[in-house]
Amino acid sequence: DTAVSQTPKYLVTQMGNDKSIKCEQNLGHDTMYWYKQDSKKFLKIMFSYNNKELIINETVPNRFSPKSPDKAHLNLHINSLELGDSAVYFCASSHNAGREKLFFGSGTQLSVL
Amino acid sequence: DQQVKQNSPSLSVQEGRISILNCDYTNSMFDYFLWYKKYPAEGPTFLISISSIKDKNEDGRFTVFLNKSAKHLSLHIVPSQPGDSAVYFCAASHGSSNTGKLIFGQGTTLQVKP
Repeated sequence: DTAVSQTPKYLVTQMGNDKSIKCEQNLGHDTMYWYKQDSKKFLKIMFSYNNKELIINETVPNRFSPKSPDKAHLNLHINSLELGDSAVYFCASSHNAGREKLFFGSGTQLSVL
Repeated sequence: DQQVKQNSPSLSVQEGRISILNCDYTNSMFDYFLWYKKYPAEGPTFLISISSIKDKNEDGRFTVFLNKSAKHLSLHIVPSQPGDSAVYFCAASHGSSNTGKLIFGQGTTLQVKP
């Protein structure tokens, strides 16, 4: 029973398209995150939600819009995809927004052609 | 501005020997540090953590050492096993942020040879 699951695992699409990545956690955590791992392998935070409220938005283009319908879900919608958006996107959750370890999903490999 | 750095992209050790992975940070506000392990096509998984009030934390074969004055931490794996072959990420946060945000290093690929 996967703790943090995200879909799809692979996403190949054309420039200019709009796509969504879904994430669900069954750990009962209050806080969820989106991280991006770029071609240089750095893992960088994009967004964080605590109890459905946005608490981190790290200078991400507004083409990226996270949505948290409830505490267990955090989806990422990307408009007008660009070549530079190609990366691995990881969803994660933690018990709360304090000093906590994160539990990660298995990642979504996004390739923009 | 990379606040957490892992300067060794890769490390190769023999099975049974010690693996030492290093991490440096620049932000003196960081007070909580974690190590994550990542296998290909999987997400990072938590390995061990240490608070800045300690200088050592041990969990089985894994020990993390923190040197605050040098802004340096290291992960020791003893003895190393082939199943330890993975990418290891160092991460840091400052508790006062109350956001849960972790700053990650770029990872070190460990290969343990049988």
